[in-house]
Amino acid sequence: AQKVTQAQTEISVVEKEDVTLDCVYETRDTTYYLFWYKQPPSGELVFLIRRNSFDEQNEISGRYSWNFQKSTSSFNFTITASQVVDSAVYFCALSEALNRDDKIIFGKGTRLHILP
Amino acid sequence: SQTIHQWPATLVQPVGSPLSLECTVEGTSNPNLYWYRQAAGRGLQLLFYSVGIGQISSEVPQNLSASRPQDRQFILSSKKLLLSDSGFYLCAWSTRDRIFQPQHFGDGTRLSIL
Repeated sequence: AQKVTQAQTEISVVEKEDVTLDCVYETRDTTYYLFWYKQPPSGELVFLIRRNSFDEQNEISGRYSWNFQKSTSSFNFTITASQVVDSAVYFCALSEALNRDDKIIFGKGTRLHILP
Repeated sequence: SQTIHQWPATLVQPVGSPLSLECTVEGTSNPNLYWYRQAAGRGLQLLFYSVGIGQISSEVPQNLSASRPQDRQFILSSKKLLLSDSGFYLCAWSTRDRIFQPQHFGDGTRLSIL
C-alpha cells in the first residue's frame, strides 16, 4: 500500500541553523515520483521539487537540498542557514504509476518554526 | 502561464445552509482537477478529482459533491452543511499532457460552520 510518513510533526530551530525534514514512503510500484510542498501561513501550497524513482542524485537549489535514498525509502529535505521566512508546514508526497489521474498521496506534514 | 483561482477566500456559514465553492484554471486545457480539505490537524484529504467535463470521482463518502460544468471550472457543493465540514478547502490542477506532474494549488477557502 502507498503511504508517506513524516514522523516529525513540529520542529523549532533558531535562525541560521540547518534543519532536516524527514520523509519515508511506502510503495509497491517501481515507477513513482516524490514531491515536496511548502505551505506558508497564508495557506496556499507551493510546489518545491519533484523527483522520479530512477534518479537518486541529490539535488540542491540554493539553501534547499534533497536526499533521495531508495534503499531506505526516504526523501529527506534539508534547509541550510534557515531563515524566518522558511517557517511553514512542509509536505512530502508520492505519486505512483499504478495510480491513475496523477493522484498524489500526501504525508501529514511537518510544521517548521524558525525562531529569530 | 497557468493560474488557478479559488473563491471565496473565507466563508462563514450556519449549519444546514448550502455551500458552493468555485475554482477555475486559466492558461491550460483539459487539466486534472482536485478538491482537498485540510482540517485543523494539518493533513490533506483528497475529496474529489476530475479528469474531464462531467467526470467526477469521489474519494470519501460525505455530504459534499463536486461538479465540472466546464473544462476549467470545478465546483464543490453541499445542500446542507455540517459542523464537521469546517476546514480549509484547496483546489488544485495538474496537466494531462504528461504523467507524474505536480499539482498546483489555489489559495484556498477557509470555511467556518457555526
